Amino acid sequence: DTAVSQTPKYLVTQMGNDKSIKCEQNLGHDTMYWYKQDSKKFLKIMFSYNNKELIINETVPNRFSPKSPDKAHLNLHINSLELGDSAVYFCASSQGTGWDTEAFFGQGTRLTVV
Amino acid sequence: LAKTTQPISMDSYEGQEVNITCSHNNIATNDYITWYQQFPSQGPRFIIQGYKTKVTNEVASLFIPADRKSSTLSLPRVSLSDTAVYYCLVGVSNQGGKLIFGQGTELSVKP
Repeated sequence: DTAVSQTPKYLVTQMGNDKSIKCEQNLGHDTMYWYKQDSKKFLKIMFSYNNKELIINETVPNRFSPKSPDKAHLNLHINSLELGDSAVYFCASSQGTGWDTEAFFGQGTRLTVV
Repeated sequence: LAKTTQPISMDSYEGQEVNITCSHNNIATNDYITWYQQFPSQGPRFIIQGYKTKVTNEVASLFIPADRKSSTLSLPRVSLSDTAVYYCLVGVSNQGGKLIFGQGTELSVKP
């Protein structure tokens, strides 16, 4: 049973297109995240949702719009894709947001914009 | 949040003990130290967390000196499957659970 699952695993698309990445967690966690890992392997948080409410938005272009229909799902929609959006996107979840937060990550979605 | 410094890469051989040290000179009083492991083509995975002295679990040990300005992740008897990137994170998750990842240490275990 996959704890945090993302679809698709790979996504190749042309510049200017709109695409979505879906994420689901079956851990019963109340907090979900999107992280971006660039070609240099740096992992950086993009968004954090707690109980379906946005609590972190890390200066991400407004072409990126997360949507959380319920606590178990956090989808990422990207409009007008650009070459620089090529990266691996990780969804994660945790129970709470305290100091002892242990985040569980999905397998990642490798997005390639051509 | 405290900045961390770790070696960019390390090499080891199967069966050896590997120690990865992380410097965090500006660690605050209420900061915790957490290590994550990332295998190729996978998301990061929590390994261990501590505040001071020593913490041990089934995967690793974490040594934290009294001044807490550094910490050492110890992997006993590594195998080829321990080849991964190891991230040291320092900071209190008081902002929505945000994790700040540094560059990590790429550990390569050879036969």
